[in-house]
Amino acid sequence: DIQLTQSPSFLSASVGDRVTITCRASQGVSSYLAWYQQKPGKAPEVLIYTASTLQSGVPSRFSGSGSGTEFTLTISSLQPEDFATYYCQQLNNYPLTFGGGTKVEVK
Amino acid sequence: QVQLQESGPGLVKPSQTLSLTCTVSGDSISSGSYYWSWIRQPAGKGLEWIGRIYTGEITNYNPSLKSRVTISIDMSKKQFSLRLNSVTAADTAVYYCARDHGFWFDPWGQGTQVTVSS
Repeated sequence: DIQLTQSPSFLSASVGDRVTITCRASQGVSSYLAWYQQKPGKAPEVLIYTASTLQSGVPSRFSGSGSGTEFTLTISSLQPEDFATYYCQQLNNYPLTFGGGTKVEVK
Repeated sequence: QVQLQESGPGLVKPSQTLSLTCTVSGDSISSGSYYWSWIRQPAGKGLEWIGRIYTGEITNYNPSLKSRVTISIDMSKKQFSLRLNSVTAADTAVYYCARDHGFWFDPWGQGTQVTVSS
């Protein structure tokens, strides 16, 4: 199985901060990586797919980059509604796997 | 707008079979354009992909669950289903269904809590 390691696991930030989350894969996944946002009691929602494609309707402050084994999700200016948990997912190899999550909390 | 809704028992006894159904509205489940996936999330923990099905009933399962899992599809009812045999407390989780684009999942159902307990 491909292991996805997200860092940090927890992040304290303030509104307006630039936030970067990293996802490292144990082997190459090409560009077949997606990012999701999950709020408490809700299902995850896709933000980014194929590493850098912004899902329709997602604010442009979210961006993704990377390929192979290292990927990043960046929030250019954190908004109140962005405090949530973020997961990466690889869809290059079976079984499909998710990272352990990064919880973005209010500083 | 596509919507997915999970349904099924919220409580299952150990060693029995967990059965859930996902009903799709606003899209054709038989179009051949998508996979349809199941994912689960134990309380306070991360996400685990269970498996996916494609029209024509092509399936792929997580090897960690493969011996116990069956995913099926009923195109006439616009539903796909999950069966997980021989459940234990470790199978207690929120179970989600999702439309699977191959390289991302969207949308997801709201999720349904399943507790394994006697």
